[in-house]
This record gives sequence, C-alpha cells and structure tokens, in this order.
Amino acid sequence: QKEVEQDPGPLSVPEGAIVSLNCTYSNSAFQYFMWYRQYSRKGPELLMYTYSSGNKEDGRFTAQVDKSSKYISLFIRDSQPSDSATYLCASDGTSNTGKLIFGQGTTLQVKP
Amino acid sequence: EPEVTQTPSHQVTQMGQEVILRCVPISNHLYFYWYRQILGQKVEFLVSFYNNEISEKSEIFDDQFSVERPDGSNFTLKIRSTKLEDSAMYFCASSVVASGGHEQYFGPGTRLTVT
Repeated sequence: QKEVEQDPGPLSVPEGAIVSLNCTYSNSAFQYFMWYRQYSRKGPELLMYTYSSGNKEDGRFTAQVDKSSKYISLFIRDSQPSDSATYLCASDGTSNTGKLIFGQGTTLQVKP
Repeated sequence: EPEVTQTPSHQVTQMGQEVILRCVPISNHLYFYWYRQILGQKVEFLVSFYNNEISEKSEIFDDQFSVERPDGSNFTLKIRSTKLEDSAMYFCASSVVASGGHEQYFGPGTRLTVT
C-alpha cells in the first residue's frame, strides 16, 4: 500500500470554480501534512502546512485534515487560470528527520 | 523573500562521469535535503542532513551519492559515476523545525541528463 496516494487527474474546471483536491495516507501515526504546488519543470512551492486534524485557511486556499479517515484535502476558492499546476500532498510520516513522503500529484487545469 | 537557490539549472553529462549539484539553502535554516523527480513520477526523498551529518537516507542514496556542506552557505550533492537512470530533476530543500515539524522550502531544481 502506498503511504500517500493522490488521484493524478487531470482535473479540469472553469475559472471561478471551487476546486477540491484530495489525498489519502496509510499510517495513522502521520502528523504533519503539506500541500505543494508545482508548475511544469519547476520546484515544489509550499502552499499549506498543517498539523493533525482540522482546517487551516490562507487566502483562497483551505487545507483540511481528517485523521479518523486518513484523508487530507485542499480547497481552492475562486480558481484562476494561474492556479493551473500539479498539486502535491506530502507528509513527513513517522520520521523525525524531515523526510517527506509525496503523493503522485494531481494535475489541475483552470480554463478561462 | 528568502529562497533556496540551485545551480546549474541544467546539467548534461556522460554516463560514468561525476557531477556535483549545488544548492544554497535559506540562511537561517538548519536542516537540508535532496529529493529527485524522474519525469512523470513522484518526488522521492534522497537524503536529509543536519548538524554536518546525514540524518536519514533512502535506498536510492547508495555509495555513488554523497553530500557535503563545504562552507556556511553551500550544500552539495555529488554523484560519483552517473548512470542513465540518474537522469531526473534534483531538488534541494531546507527547513527549520516549526511546531515540531519540518516546514520545507524547495529550490527550483537541477535537471540532470545522463547520456
């Protein structure tokens, strides 16, 4: 079983739509979760960093962690064409060295 | 805003040659990492480095790989004898420990092409 899993998509939405991106993870001991945005052939850009269960909001982005179902989500409100990218979820698992375990990434296209 | 930088952006080398990829982490960060991403695949952890020593490495990080912090600002990844399958994007990252976790910031990557 993969430790962090994402549906690779692609996901295509019209501009202004609310986007929901999702990940599951396998180990209930995982505590820290991140969402990164990656444009083609660029480095991952940290969007959200969350600990344990609950919601965290930053502008148009909301990250949600549900530890009971081992499910993490990223919501993007009022999506823009510039949001078109691959979104990676990650966890530092059970490591205390910072090793990140990434999902496959979901490719999002926002059409004008 | 501080950022992680990497050089070169693209490196082409022949199989069997040594390459050194360079990174300048964010200045107040204490933890440093290398990851790689083969085209179309997920980002994979290679190694973490703290207090001038490797704190964790993956199965990928075999004897052909080494890391070094030669001075107070640079962090390097050396591949001793490159193979075709080493062709990938290599990302450096750095972090501080925030609320117990490692909030990592990535550089733009070095695209390594082994021919």
